[in-house]
Amino acid sequence: NAGVTQTPKFQVLKTGQSMTLQCAQDMNHEYMSWYRQDPGMGLRLIHYSVGAGITDQGEVPNGYNVSRSTTEDFPLRLLSAAPSQTSVYFCASSYGRAGDTQYFGPGTRLTVL
Amino acid sequence: AQSVTQPDIHITVSEGASLELRCNYSYGATPYLFWYVQSPGQGLQLLLKYFSGDTLVQGIKGFEAEFKRSQSSFNLRKPSVHWSDAAEYFCAVKNFNKFYFGSGTKLNVKP
Repeated sequence: NAGVTQTPKFQVLKTGQSMTLQCAQDMNHEYMSWYRQDPGMGLRLIHYSVGAGITDQGEVPNGYNVSRSTTEDFPLRLLSAAPSQTSVYFCASSYGRAGDTQYFGPGTRLTVL
Repeated sequence: AQSVTQPDIHITVSEGASLELRCNYSYGATPYLFWYVQSPGQGLQLLLKYFSGDTLVQGIKGFEAEFKRSQSSFNLRKPSVHWSDAAEYFCAVKNFNKFYFGSGTKLNVKP
């Protein structure tokens, strides 16, 4: 049971490049989410999904796309990276019931030059 | 809009001393409340959560938190801090399917 995995761990992009951050979980969780963490701002929700084929926006969705074709995977796409997207990105998952525990991945540190 | 406030950015306590980390939230109904801990370079780990029932909840690593509806607070406490508790602590609120996190409190522990 690997839990929540994220790849890559580190990434450097140039402004305007695109990339996909991968997130996978093997716990059969319905709910998955992406956060960005910036100094002094805690974690902010980018997008979330309550099941395969269902996604919705969080607090800071601009510049990011997601899709959920399977229960296990929830990739985050940056279509045209900007320096403001330099951050640490965390994926999380849970069963999706009201008080369920969210399990977090180890994070991806992204730098956009 | 929902918001979570952690008024203390940094706190330093001596090993063995008691600890209280403050959290206030802005939300109309009784929210689902969480405390997470993050060690450097790591993801977040759940310490405890509250969504109904007894307003004093126990968590892992000897932590507890008390929900006070009248003060819109959910403060985290530990009676005796260990050096391994040095980390960053985040309070969070869940509203429907969205989580809102505070900005975090960094805890330093003096030997």
